[in-house]
Amino acid sequence: GEDVEQSLFLSVREGDSSVINCTYTDSSSTYLYWYKQEPGAGLQLLTYIFSNMDMKQDQRLTVLLNKKDKHLSLRIADTQTGDSAIYFCAESRGFTGNQFYFGTGTSLTVIP
Amino acid sequence: DAGVTQSPTHLIKTRGQQVTLRCSPISGHKSVSWYQQVLGQGPQFIFQYYEKEERGRGNFPDRFSARQFPNYSSELNVNALLLGDSALYLCASSLVQGAVTGELFFGEGSRLTVL
Repeated sequence: GEDVEQSLFLSVREGDSSVINCTYTDSSSTYLYWYKQEPGAGLQLLTYIFSNMDMKQDQRLTVLLNKKDKHLSLRIADTQTGDSAIYFCAESRGFTGNQFYFGTGTSLTVIP
Repeated sequence: DAGVTQSPTHLIKTRGQQVTLRCSPISGHKSVSWYQQVLGQGPQFIFQYYEKEERGRGNFPDRFSARQFPNYSSELNVNALLLGDSALYLCASSLVQGAVTGELFFGEGSRLTVL
């Protein structure tokens, strides 16, 4: 199908790790992305991973990519209340990779 | 530096009317994309323009159209509005076309309500 899928909700305690999962559809996607959306705001790029990589780490963020299963995950270490937001994974499609297809979003709630 | 700016931020229309949404990209960015975000869903790709030409179109009806001006700003037009067109319309700009750098810079959106 065309859908990029994510679980809708995740709740974690402050200081714990959060893991947000995503299943994408286009095996030819060159890049896969994680965006964050806070209430009333646009989307902010958190990180991205090139499709020939298995893992990328950027400070508290770790992205894991399983290309065989078309599975992408975002791990946030030491989750803080400021991390509460909606997180979207996205894949790029189109001949020049200029069409971004987003998942439904995972709403992360961090409990103090 | 100014980010991506969109106007208006909120607007209310009735069914059958037409709407024009505007977007100014980050200075130096030549690519502008439009996305529709219905409440509770992820953004859906509508159009991408690069150097004033349409470079991609999502699965939207012909009631949706857009253009890009010589200064790289862009307008999204929606004709014959339907209730289902109620959404947050997001504009994103990038330095180049395609996913070379992977970064789209989003505006805060125009929230359209159709009554």
